[in-house]
Amino acid sequence: EIVLTQSPGTLSLSPGERATLSCRASQTISITYLAWYQQQPGQAPRLLISGASSRATGIPDRFTGSGSGTDFTLTINRLEPEDFAVYYCQQYNRSPPTFGGGTKVEIK
Amino acid sequence: QVQLVQSGPEVKKPGASVRISCKASGYTFSSYGISWVRQAPGQGLEWMAWTSTSNDIKNYARKFQGRLSVTVETSTSTAYMDLRDLRSDDRAVYYCARDRPSGESDYWGRGTLVTVSS
Repeated sequence: EIVLTQSPGTLSLSPGERATLSCRASQTISITYLAWYQQQPGQAPRLLISGASSRATGIPDRFTGSGSGTDFTLTINRLEPEDFAVYYCQQYNRSPPTFGGGTKVEIK
Repeated sequence: QVQLVQSGPEVKKPGASVRISCKASGYTFSSYGISWVRQAPGQGLEWMAWTSTSNDIKNYARKFQGRLSVTVETSTSTAYMDLRDLRSDDRAVYYCARDRPSGESDYWGRGTLVTVSS
């Protein structure tokens, strides 16, 4: 199965700063099949990005997904208070679908 | 609006089985698959299974094969997850999610906490 490694594990930043989250795959993934989710404490995950770079409905444009092959990035520009959460990448290119271990973006 | 409403929390003894339901509304049920994902306390997301809602195709994570069944009842737009022979490490929040044809999960239920304790 494809292993997704997210880094860093925790990112400590202040509101207004930029967050750069990495997701590295153990095998090449088609960009069509890479997603990012946000999870707030006690809530279900929310789809942010699909197809590596397409924002889901209602997702603000400060969230940007990029990358290809084995290296993918989620960038959050100008962090808002509601952006402090845990972020997961997921590949659904090959079965089984797998998630990365998550990156927690916390308030510094 | 799209909603996935899951059944309530469960407390089970080791060795027992649990069934979780996921009732969909706000869209054509048979046009999207349903995935099941779980999250142990303080841990990340773990994909468990996927089921088509328009045919009998299912896909299970290898670690759950033999213990896990996912089904759908199209007449009520409800998906079910049955997990057997529960162990203490099955304690988790279980989510159902609607999957687009391309595979990403665009709507999620609120989750069902399953506690396994003697």
